[in-house]
Amino acid sequence: NAGVTQTPKFQVLKTGQSMTLQCAQDMNHNSMYWYRQDPGMGLRLIYYSASEGTTDKGEVPNGYNVSRLNKREFSLRLESAAPSQTSVYFCASSDTALPPFPYTFGSGTRLTVV
Amino acid sequence: SQKIEQNSEALNIQEGKTATLTCNYTNYSPAYLQWYRQDPGRGPVFLLLIRENEKEKRKERLKVTFDTTLKQSLFHITASQPADSATYLCAPHYSGGGADGLTFGKGTHLIIQP
Repeated sequence: NAGVTQTPKFQVLKTGQSMTLQCAQDMNHNSMYWYRQDPGMGLRLIYYSASEGTTDKGEVPNGYNVSRLNKREFSLRLESAAPSQTSVYFCASSDTALPPFPYTFGSGTRLTVV
Repeated sequence: SQKIEQNSEALNIQEGKTATLTCNYTNYSPAYLQWYRQDPGRGPVFLLLIRENEKEKRKERLKVTFDTTLKQSLFHITASQPADSATYLCAPHYSGGGADGLTFGKGTHLIIQP
């Protein structure tokens, strides 16, 4: 049981480049989330998808877009990367049909924008 | 808006002693409060949750308390071991919410010294 899988694990981008972070879960969870984690700031929610076919903005959505491709997959896209988007990105999922619903996190993508 | 406060400074505990971590929240009380462990370079891992009508919850060497009067949860690790060294995050969960993303505290870095 893989849980939540994120790819890539590491990425270096130049300012202005675009990229998509991939996330897939195999637990049949209905909700998925993207967080970023910065030193001193903790985890901050970027976007979430409460169920397949829906997506909503979190606390820090600017500069990002998401796609809930199907129940398993939730991708995060940076259209024009900026140095301020240098961070560690975590994807998480949960089964919100039955509260309480702990989150399962992926191992993260460490992104550096130069 | 709801604020979550955890000790920002590292907590140094001698092996074998009990480590106690604090999570304070403002405003209204959550329906549940979750605790996670995060190791360097890894995603957070769910440990325990406690409901608002529970005073205490235990799991092996872990114990969580919830005081809605003080607006505080305490996380205890008894007979601490160096392997318990990690960052511990708390996340209140409000009834009807959670599907729109948990808000996490910034975490307390725990160091168990042999």
